[in-house]
Amino acid sequence: GAVVSQHPSWVICKSGTSVKIECRSLDFQATTMFWYRQFPKQSLMLMATSNEGSKATYEQGVEKDKFLINHASLTLSTLTVTSAHPEDSSFYICSAPGPPQGYTFGSGTRLTVV
Amino acid sequence: GDSVTQMEGPVTLSEEAFLTINCTYTATGYPSLFWYVQYPGEGLQLLLKATKADDKGSNKGFEATYRKETTSFHLEKGSVQVSDSAVYFCALRLIYNQGGKLIFGQGTELSVKP
Repeated sequence: GAVVSQHPSWVICKSGTSVKIECRSLDFQATTMFWYRQFPKQSLMLMATSNEGSKATYEQGVEKDKFLINHASLTLSTLTVTSAHPEDSSFYICSAPGPPQGYTFGSGTRLTVV
Repeated sequence: GDSVTQMEGPVTLSEEAFLTINCTYTATGYPSLFWYVQYPGEGLQLLLKATKADDKGSNKGFEATYRKETTSFHLEKGSVQVSDSAVYFCALRLIYNQGGKLIFGQGTELSVKP
């Protein structure tokens, strides 16, 4: 079945630095990628939707300049957390519409900013 | 607006007990409904889905029936196992928005004791 490979699975960075998270669709083309953020013991909050070849669409309240999303190709979407701060620590998950289940999720990235 | 409400957790059961996790939704259109499962530190996996009223989704002993009259999609399993311990998310997708975003409930943590 379709797989979305998400890397890294966990990352620790210093406050003020930037972190890039990659999601690659394997064996299928992902023209759309959804990026979610999940706080401990809470639900997934949709941050933005990226589309290959166009600008990402951000949900209300999400800072575009802090969470940079790029959809460079039909198989790669990236989320860069710029000038990260401890409050950005969270679990980030990507998801692409793809066969056969309708949506395929990455395994998530645990970001810790110290 | 469109939303999903799940029963609060955590739910703690003994092995072989009967499980019900309630889920109700509010939607302006005719949504598809999903249950996802998340194991610790991992992304989401589709458990089952239903695309229209009275459909029953089933997988791995879990079942849920799309009830339009009560706007519900309760998850059930007749005999839970320790390996079922995870967080369960109910979600909807509006059909008119093909490949559109999923709206998640807040998640229900299930803990099954031997």
